[in-house]
Amino acid sequence: NAGVTQTPKFQVLKTGQSMTLQCAQDMNHEYMSWYRQDPGMGLRLIHYSVGAGITDQGEVPNGYNVSRSTTEDFPLRLLSAAPSQTSVYFCASSYFYRGLGGELFFGEGSRLTVL
Amino acid sequence: GENVEQHPSTLSVQEGDSAVIKCTYSDSASNYFPWYKQELGKGPQLIIDIRSNVGEKKDQRIAVTLNKTAKHFSLHITETQPEDSAVYFCAASISPGGTSYGKLTFGQGTILTVHP
Repeated sequence: NAGVTQTPKFQVLKTGQSMTLQCAQDMNHEYMSWYRQDPGMGLRLIHYSVGAGITDQGEVPNGYNVSRSTTEDFPLRLLSAAPSQTSVYFCASSYFYRGLGGELFFGEGSRLTVL
Repeated sequence: GENVEQHPSTLSVQEGDSAVIKCTYSDSASNYFPWYKQELGKGPQLIIDIRSNVGEKKDQRIAVTLNKTAKHFSLHITETQPEDSAVYFCAASISPGGTSYGKLTFGQGTILTVHP
């Protein structure tokens, strides 16, 4: 049972380059999300999706794009990488509990460095 | 939007002691308060959660208390063990009218170190 799988685990980019962080889950979860983790700032929501074809912005969406063409996959695209996007990125998924929230299942993270 | 403040940022205890981590939230509409544990090199994992209609919840050595009037909630770990060493995050969820999934807002995290 794989759970939430993120690739790559490590990536180094140059300023201005673009890339995609991949996220896949095999639990048939409706809800998927991307967080970034920075020292002293906890986890901040970038984008989330409540089902295929539905996405919305979180707290820090600028510089990132997402799409949700299938239930399983939720890729995060960096359009033009900046040093401020150096962070650890986590993908998380959950069943869609209306109104009350539910347990988030996290991937193991992708560490991105932008030079 | 919601704002969650977590204290302390670091906590060091001796094995067998108790550890308490406190969080405050800003939006009185929040009704779901989970705690996550993150071990080194891994993603956070849910350890306990509480909903607004409950004041306290226990699961073996861990417990969470909620004071909705004061808008704060706390994690209590008793009889700490070295394997409890990790980063702990509190979070709060706003549920807008029960029609959509509440977005979790996390606290800044607490690094707990349990010394043998």
